[in-house]
Amino acid sequence: GAVVSQHPSRVICKSGTSVKIECRSLDFQATTMFWYRQFPKQSLMLMATSNEGSKATYEQGVEKDKFLINHASLTLSTLTVTSAHPEDSSFYICSTMAGGLTDTQYFGPGTRLTVL
Amino acid sequence: GENVEQHPSTLSVQEGDSAVIKCTYSDSASNYFPWYKQELGKGPQLIIDIRSNVGEKKDQRIAVTLNKTAKHFSLHITETQPEDSAVYFCAAKKGNSGGSNYKLTFGKGTLLTVNP
Repeated sequence: GAVVSQHPSRVICKSGTSVKIECRSLDFQATTMFWYRQFPKQSLMLMATSNEGSKATYEQGVEKDKFLINHASLTLSTLTVTSAHPEDSSFYICSTMAGGLTDTQYFGPGTRLTVL
Repeated sequence: GENVEQHPSTLSVQEGDSAVIKCTYSDSASNYFPWYKQELGKGPQLIIDIRSNVGEKKDQRIAVTLNKTAKHFSLHITETQPEDSAVYFCAAKKGNSGGSNYKLTFGKGTLLTVNP
């Protein structure tokens, strides 16, 4: 399967600071990437779809000004959690489509964000 | 929109036994059904998927069956091993055209425990 990396794997920050999470597609060009959030013992919740060279599409209820997504290249998408608060503490996971006509979606290893 | 129900939420089996996890979906237009395995603190890993033009797919100890008429699909793991212990998620998607058709809808997950 496709290789997707995320950095950092875990981050602890103070309330009010901003945190940037990187997602890289290592072995193919990804025009579309997805960002998910997962709370403990829950399923994955899609936050937004990131399209290379254009604005991200956010799911209903997700604040676009709080969760800034940039997909400037075919191998990198970033999620910035602005002015983080304790309720933003969660497991953030990115995912990429394999490309072409396939539906296959591969996930990164996730980033554990803890906001104090 | 699509709704995916997954059962059971927890499943405990003895090593060597089989495990079956079932999912139902609501949108008859869905045509792609992947299964993911998620270990604690890690991102989901694609383990098998099936498209609506086939009724069954097998990969070593793992198999997936699909009943389009009844709108349900199942994951079968035979000869379970302790390392199979994880949370398993089913998902459904309509297809690979643009826009919202790219979205995966996930079930709520099944915690599988394989006892040695």
